[in-house]
Amino acid sequence: QLVLTQSPSASASLGASVKFTCTLDSGHNNYAIAWHQQQPEKGPRYLMKVNFDGSHTKGDGIPDRFSGASSGAERYLIISSLQSDDEADYYCQTWDTGVRVFGGGTKLTVL
Amino acid sequence: EVQLVESGGGLVQPGGSLTLSCAASGFTFSHNSMIWVRQAPGKGLEWISYISSDSGFKYYADSVKGRFTISRDNAKNSLYLQVNSLRDEDTAVYYCATDPGSSNWYDSEHWGQGTLVSVSS
Repeated sequence: QLVLTQSPSASASLGASVKFTCTLDSGHNNYAIAWHQQQPEKGPRYLMKVNFDGSHTKGDGIPDRFSGASSGAERYLIISSLQSDDEADYYCQTWDTGVRVFGGGTKLTVL
Repeated sequence: EVQLVESGGGLVQPGGSLTLSCAASGFTFSHNSMIWVRQAPGKGLEWISYISSDSGFKYYADSVKGRFTISRDNAKNSLYLQVNSLRDEDTAVYYCATDPGSSNWYDSEHWGQGTLVSVSS
């Protein structure tokens, strides 16, 4: 079964960096994922796709402060130079034939 | 500018039906597979349905299989979700989005702003 696991919460200070982790189940550890951001009271926004080798491609208008990486079954979203409007929920998503799956999301608090 | 605009949500009684629509503009809709995703109050995102660009493939989450039907009209740049036999637990904001699982690697993906479906007697 295709499963994505995310930590429920994270926090980091204004101007610092933060790394979110999305873990694929062992049977699908070479799959690509997508990252999405959802600011409070808004719809989701696509950020990027991240491949098993760490290569990534970002959505239109996504700043250079956002990047992706991979290690084994883990896919990462890294945000540097944190700003107040980065405070949001971050979701990873993956796919297989017949199914699409979201992780549970990580809520980022910017201190 | 790419836009996805959902409509058709509202308050409906348990057992009722609605048709949700998603109007697409600013990109070649007929080339994109599309998905519906919902978000219950205070909860995370839940994928519920997928349709390929030519409507040849349709998939559903187990939670809605047999009750929801996805469709599209490429001539009208529109995506639809017929929701039947609604339950309290179907209360959510419903989003349409392009499907990253079917897109080219370098394609950007897009989301609508959502439409609220409230199921209550």
